[in-house]
Amino acid sequence: EAGVTQFPSHSVIEKGQTVTLRCDPISGHDNLYWYRRVMGKEIKFLLHFVKESKQDESGMPNNRFLAERTGGTYSTLKVQPAELEDSGVYFCASSHGGDRGEKNTEAFFGQGTRLTVV
Amino acid sequence: GENVEQHPSTLSVQEGDSAVIKCTYSDSASNYFPWYKQELGKRPQLIIDIRSNVGEKKDQRIAVTLNKTAKHFSLHITETQPEDSAVYFCAASPQGSARQLTFGSGTQLTVLP
Repeated sequence: EAGVTQFPSHSVIEKGQTVTLRCDPISGHDNLYWYRRVMGKEIKFLLHFVKESKQDESGMPNNRFLAERTGGTYSTLKVQPAELEDSGVYFCASSHGGDRGEKNTEAFFGQGTRLTVV
Repeated sequence: GENVEQHPSTLSVQEGDSAVIKCTYSDSASNYFPWYKQELGKRPQLIIDIRSNVGEKKDQRIAVTLNKTAKHFSLHITETQPEDSAVYFCAASPQGSARQLTFGSGTQLTVLP
């Protein structure tokens, strides 16, 4: 089974530019999460989709961040305009429906996109 | 909201020794506690998890203990090997699943040959 894939793996952009990150979850996973790890700190929750709907976006830092999940499949996270403090590793994760029993609670992570804003 | 503290931030052990990483959480409603291992350049992967109705869980050389009263949980790795070297993250969730995970800041474990 293919894992969670993220694109690009690295991105270096200038302050003020726009960047769009993409995440393809494991097929059939309704839950899709975005997380971010700033250098040396904890992995922080950004938002959670259930299918195409935003279940929880309480972790989104500000309105420069926009996440979408068209058709409940892949998701994009756009940062516009990017600021220096947006640098970090952006992780996407997916999991099965949370109501299907304990065995489906594991969140599978992608390898992350390392974003550097200069 | 939930706050998870993780210690130590770095840990070096000799091959064959044990390693212990500790986490505390603030939200008494948290009931699911996974541990993730991230090797250099790779994705975080779940290595073990525990629920609030269990005090200890073991899987070969890895064990996790949970003290609900004190709101802390720990990862124990015995007979460490060089391939155990990685960053380990603890996390907590009040929803019994991967929803609403709050992560600790990570522990860089280095196993010295």
